[in-house]
Parts: sequence; structure tokens; C-alpha cells
Amino acid sequence: IQMTQSPSTLSASVGDRVTITCRASQSISKWLAWYQQKPGKAPKLLIYAASTLQSGVPSRFSGSGSGTEFTLTISSLQPDDFATYYCQRYDDYPLTFGGGTKVEIK
Amino acid sequence: EVQLVESGGGLVQPGGSLRLSCAASGFTFSRYWMHWVRQAPGKGLVWVSRINSDERTTNYADSVKGRFTISRDNAKNTLYLQMNSLRVEDTAVYYCARVAGDSFFDVWGQGTTVTVSS
Repeated sequence: IQMTQSPSTLSASVGDRVTITCRASQSISKWLAWYQQKPGKAPKLLIYAASTLQSGVPSRFSGSGSGTEFTLTISSLQPDDFATYYCQRYDDYPLTFGGGTKVEIK
Repeated sequence: EVQLVESGGGLVQPGGSLRLSCAASGFTFSRYWMHWVRQAPGKGLVWVSRINSDERTTNYADSVKGRFTISRDNAKNTLYLQMNSLRVEDTAVYYCARVAGDSFFDVWGQGTTVTVSS
């Protein structure tokens, strides 16, 4: 199963609402996670089961979707949110990640 | 504090071997499935391998099957990745990661860099 993220790069300003899309080549039900990664750092879990917020993650992050189409939304972009975001399916092995979306400062 | 610390990376020639280690602390290591994920320079995340909590079940990405072996020592709270027949395309930062129930990763190590080059 292939995971396709869009866009690959996104330019936005502080305060903007940002939406990233992840599409699976076949249904993965709700078995999708989102991660944030900053340069030189390990990824950080944001959301699992498509829409469940990981403990400690700010509520401006939200996830939705099921089946083949999923979205990660940041309701009001903060300076700390400029990073690369990855989706990951975990319905079966091999586990696969999307190609990533880099959120840049506009 | 829950922590994973990788070690063992370095520069190796094509065809060579390395063994990565991942030391776990702050949680009951023996209860968790553990994985390795890698990231080539400037590229995305790629799942490599996993091992279940009692060491009986392992899975590998096709790209490393037959060359890499994942193992663990629950008494030492340590995860390993033995990498043989290394190729230039294995160059990457290797992360160990803990699975929380389902196969998503709630804790990651800081990564260890493997460079395969002549």
C-alpha cells in the first residue's frame, strides 16, 4: 500500500490554518498516524488512529479521515510548527510512511 | 524519563557489517514491541524491522531481508540490529522506536548515523 502526501511543501504564515492530506492506495480503515519532525531531530507522534491526539500535543493539531483519505489540520500555525510532517499507515506490514510535507515560513 | 538511546553507527565499507544497539530506560522494555526506522540524508522515513515483546516474531522490509537481523535482550533492556552485506543505499540515520499497542511509534531514540562508503 502506497501513502501519498500533498503538498510536498507548504508555505504559510503564523496564524494560518494549514491542512495536509495523506492518501492510501487502498483502504487502511483508521490505522493512520501523523508525526512532526524538525531538522536533526527524531519524529514526534502527534496523532494516531487517524484522529486521536497524542497526550501532550497542542489541541491546534487535529486529524480526520478514514479508508483512503486523511487530513492533518493545524488550526492556527505557531512558530514552533514549522517542520516536516509525515503520515504512517499501520494496518499491516510492511509499515509505510508518506513522503512528507515540509511546512515553511511564508 | 522514558528514553531510547542508539549507538553503534559509523563509517563502513560496502559489504561490511555493523551492529546497532538501542538502550531503553524508564519503562518496562520487555512489554513492548520494538522497531527500527531509517532515514537517508534528505529523504523520508522508512520502516526497517520489528520484533515482538517475547522475541518470537520478527518482520523486515524487503530491502533488508536476509541481510539485517533484529534481536533484543530483555534482561539488558536493549534492542539490536545486526547489519551485514551493507550497501551504499543503507546509508541513513537509524532510529529505534517503541510501539504503543498498535504499530505506531510513541517513543523514538535520537538516532545513530550509518555511512556506507568506500
